Amino acid sequence: AQTVTQSQPEMSVQEAETVTLSCTYDTSESNYYLFWYKQPPSRQMILVIRQEAYKQQNATENRFSVNFQKAAKSFSLKISDSQLGDTAMYFCAFTRLTQGGSEKLVFGKGTKLTVNP
Amino acid sequence: EAEVAQSPRYKITEKSQAVAFWCDPISGHATLYWYRQILGQGPELLVQFQDESVVDDSQLPKDRFSAERLKGVDSTLKIQPAELGDSAMYLCASSRTIFPYEQYFGPGTRLTVT
Repeated sequence: AQTVTQSQPEMSVQEAETVTLSCTYDTSESNYYLFWYKQPPSRQMILVIRQEAYKQQNATENRFSVNFQKAAKSFSLKISDSQLGDTAMYFCAFTRLTQGGSEKLVFGKGTKLTVNP
Repeated sequence: EAEVAQSPRYKITEKSQAVAFWCDPISGHATLYWYRQILGQGPELLVQFQDESVVDDSQLPKDRFSAERLKGVDSTLKIQPAELGDSAMYLCASSRTIFPYEQYFGPGTRLTVT
């Protein structure tokens, strides 16, 4: 069974600074995706960034980038130029791929990020 | 932009009562998921549908929970009877069966059992 571990329950950062959220996972699969989802207070979960395991290049989406270390099974999220709107719970998630598509997302317990003015 | 719809957004029910949640996925998304999120934790899958068929319900407490997606479009999740431990956020998500497999989430139904 796959597991996802987020070791930082809470983090804070000053506006405009950079913060890195950690995630490790355990799997014996070779074909899988990793995701970071953001869940703002009282709002719905939205995808921040996706990484395909077969890609060596780290994914980037504007101010968000990942450091994907496949051998170490590590998948950290870096947020640059933090904004007040980045305040949210961040979840690292894993899914394996099958012939029929993707399976369920396995989530970590989340990291509560607070961006301070 | 298409979104996953869920209703109701909030539900308060008494222990031993029946409760039902509804989800309408994004049009064209064949895969539908129901997750349960306990406060302060990550969501956990309850049931996954591919069209109208159940693909994974291994974590669904089948003695009290049921789910259906009769026409392969919208879905209903039911709890009967509700227990205090069922208080949680119930999230619905949908995805295509082709790349990029991204799951889109609805706003959720927050259930409180008293």
